[in-house]
Amino acid sequence: KAGVTQTPRYLIKTRGQQVTLSCSPISGHRSVSWYQQTPGQGLQFLFEYFSETQRNKGNFPGRFSGRQFSNSRSEMNVSTLELGDSALYLCASSPLPRDTDLGEQYFGPGTRLTVT
Amino acid sequence: GESVGLHLPTLSVQEGDNSIINCAYSNSASDYFIWYKQESGKGPQFIIDIRSNMDKRQGQRVTVLLNKTVKHLSLQIAATQPGDSAVYFCAERTGGFKTIFGAGTRLFVKA
Repeated sequence: KAGVTQTPRYLIKTRGQQVTLSCSPISGHRSVSWYQQTPGQGLQFLFEYFSETQRNKGNFPGRFSGRQFSNSRSEMNVSTLELGDSALYLCASSPLPRDTDLGEQYFGPGTRLTVT
Repeated sequence: GESVGLHLPTLSVQEGDNSIINCAYSNSASDYFIWYKQESGKGPQFIIDIRSNMDKRQGQRVTVLLNKTVKHLSLQIAATQPGDSAVYFCAERTGGFKTIFGAGTRLFVKA
């Protein structure tokens, strides 16, 4: 199976702009989660979608939003970009949880966003 | 609040030796713990997981130990190889898919 893919891989934006990142999960996976990774804050959970519904949300401002489509592909949007939004944005997908565990997550390579 | 931390930010081991990476967590309600490996330019890769009703789980060359009494998690890598050089993260979940990651430990393997 193909892994989780994220587009674009690299992106440069200026302050005040908005950006949309895309994630295609592994075929058959219905849960998609987004994370922000920075040297200072590490890996932080943004939100998780399942069957087009946001099930969990991290502690990020409303400028960060996401959505999931019927084919499980997901997008996240950041509006009014700030310098501090520069980070690696990671997407992870997971199959439907089994009884024996809470579901393994498979990460994509990430989108490196630089805000200038 | 919830936090997952690591005792050592950097660990250097000789090739062939065993590595032990430690992690402390604070949320006693967490019921699922995972170790991830992240190589440069890649996303985290699942290594091994353990549920809170277990205290040990073994994989191929890796073992995870969970001590709920002191809220401590460790990853043991047997016969460490140069390919094991990476950043290792512990993570916890308290139901659902909101995963809290630790700060990460960078493992250097000396040939």
